[in-house]
Amino acid sequence: DTEVTQTPKHLVMGMTNKKSLKCEQHMGHRAMYWYKQKAKKPPELMFVYSYEKLSINESVPSRFSPECPNSSLLNLHLHALQPEDSALYLCASSQVWDYGYTFGSGTRLTVV
Amino acid sequence: SQQGEEDPQALSIQEGENATMNCSYKTSINNLQWYRQNSGRGLVHLILIRSNEREKHSGRLRVTLDTSKKSSSLLITASRAADTASYFCATDSALANAGGTSYGKLTFGQGTILTVHP
Repeated sequence: DTEVTQTPKHLVMGMTNKKSLKCEQHMGHRAMYWYKQKAKKPPELMFVYSYEKLSINESVPSRFSPECPNSSLLNLHLHALQPEDSALYLCASSQVWDYGYTFGSGTRLTVV
Repeated sequence: SQQGEEDPQALSIQEGENATMNCSYKTSINNLQWYRQNSGRGLVHLILIRSNEREKHSGRLRVTLDTSKKSSSLLITASRAADTASYFCATDSALANAGGTSYGKLTFGQGTILTVHP
């Protein structure tokens, strides 16, 4: 299995809602990432988990809460989001940093 | 801030023609990668070139790297309509090395939108 699977593919949520994005990989990669991509912009790093521990938080607002329950799963919990948080959220994984990353197909999030 | 700048921002060609995209970056790198993105979906890793390499091929793709000019180019030969996508260069910064697995941070260029007309 050489894929990163993200669910859901699309999500519409209100500003008072709580929702979660899910990411799963079975390649044995021990580093997992969340990237955010606004329309017509390149992706930007949000979080890095290495060996299930949060290693990097790129000054992301606390309304985004990542979680890594095990080496195959990565969640992003969303609460009290703003319309400007609407974006494509991409999950990625890697084994060794010098060999490229595998990205999922993303979750298109719309905050209304 | 974005590491890479790409040009052109948009490229429109006919099937069978070659497409060349350029990327410039600002700091020293360990490697530079190219990704393709179809219709705002996930990124597909195309090719990685390391700082000690000057040229690399993969199928119809050819990547060059000039570290003295801090630039890279991606050439797609004999383009097809299915090559229509956004193409991003990205530099990879190693952030840590823990237990045999290191992780990094990709910093992307602004991207080139390629349209290949049948």
